[in-house]
Amino acid sequence: QLQLQESGSGLVKPSQTLSLTCAVSGGSISSGGYSWSWIRQPPGKGLEWIGYIYHSGSTYYNPSLKSRVTISVDRSKNQFSLKLSSVTAADTAVYYCARAGSGWYFDLWGRGTLVTVSS
Amino acid sequence: QSALTQPASVSGSPGQSITISCTGTSSDVGGYNYVSWYQQHPGKAPKLMIYDVSKRPSGVSNRFSGSKSGNTASLTISGLQAEDEADYYCSSYTSSSTNWVFGGGTKLTVL
Repeated sequence: QLQLQESGSGLVKPSQTLSLTCAVSGGSISSGGYSWSWIRQPPGKGLEWIGYIYHSGSTYYNPSLKSRVTISVDRSKNQFSLKLSSVTAADTAVYYCARAGSGWYFDLWGRGTLVTVSS
Repeated sequence: QSALTQPASVSGSPGQSITISCTGTSSDVGGYNYVSWYQQHPGKAPKLMIYDVSKRPSGVSNRFSGSKSGNTASLTISGLQAEDEADYYCSSYTSSSTNWVFGGGTKLTVL
């Protein structure tokens, strides 16, 4: 059964770069027809889509974050990653990785990881 | 401000039915049959409950159903149970450069 697991630094200083990785187990990240997303949820607030990388390697980002976001894939490690630069307190959130299948919906989610931006 | 509008809260008694609305525009909800709904219990990851407006993933109770009229999608939960108490989020594909939009979430309380 396919599973996603986020990992990375839980505390990042303002102006630095947030880095997270999502490990895919039980299946291959290179399987065609899927996209792999990052979604975040500030404490007590709603969900915000950050961006995704398609199985082909193409990336698409939320315009509100595009200038600061990079999503990449490491097929040899069966994982994909998020980098968010110049972070501020507003970037404090639980970050989820998720898979979208053949349609526009997220059918598989990681458990999420809390990232706090603080000096 | 979220792109899709949901009521902040709804409530119902066990056994009753409730409906949660999700209002967008012709660029998202109204223009495509790509509305999905997610259930999120406190401290947990969201779970897909409905996709493509009205389809249920395997394993999701048939007490959950989805529909759409114009720019508004709806999630109906019938035969409310205590375990249905959670936050619910709608989402839609959008033709804007954002690709995906979410609603602000609705807290369901089972009285």
